[in-house]
Amino acid sequence: EVQLLESGGGLVQPGGSLRLSCAASGFPFRSYGMNWVRQAPGKGLEWVSYITYSSSGSFYADSVKGRFTISRDNSKNTLYLQMNSLRVEDTALYYCASCTGGSCYYYGLDVWGQGTTVTVS
Amino acid sequence: DIQLTQSPSFLSASVGDRVTITCRASQGISSDLAWYQQKPGRAPKLLIYAASTLQSGVPSRFSGSGSGTEFTLTISSLQPEDFATFYCQQLNTYPWTFGQGTKVEIK
Repeated sequence: EVQLLESGGGLVQPGGSLRLSCAASGFPFRSYGMNWVRQAPGKGLEWVSYITYSSSGSFYADSVKGRFTISRDNSKNTLYLQMNSLRVEDTALYYCASCTGGSCYYYGLDVWGQGTTVTVS
Repeated sequence: DIQLTQSPSFLSASVGDRVTITCRASQGISSDLAWYQQKPGRAPKLLIYAASTLQSGVPSRFSGSGSGTEFTLTISSLQPEDFATFYCQQLNTYPWTFGQGTKVEIK
């Protein structure tokens, strides 16, 4: 079964740091790009970051650029999001999502985890 | 950044109705657009990619069309399980962005 399982969320004070993890199983993780998408309470979806299958490229939303870093360990089938200088407005449910159909720009984000909650207060 | 504007933001419809949601991009994005469905407490689900291609396993009552700056998601006959919030996403230019969402509720 294709599965993504996020962890690492929690309560942190403004200015603090947190590292999220996303463990993948059931598909060749090393072959596909990965994303983080967040959803503030009662709000819509916000794309946060994308990393290519080989880590050769990474991209960020303007709201997190310079504060968040996406990375992956293909030997551990795990995606990460290092979040520094956290702000109250970073409070959200953070999803990891993959593009197992192929290139994300064409095939979209087809596999999603259930999310991990980050609260900055 | 490319802005996506969905209309309407809220829609009240009955089972069996034909429903159309529009997504307009602030600049051309070719066909690099996806549609997602999200139910309360659940992760989003991919419905359509490349503007008009139905994701495997998604019922054929869902369809997508458009290119450039204007896109539509159509549900030909609304079913009880379709009541949810729908989002478009552009994957043409970084940063990728989502529309604000369209909530479809039961009339």
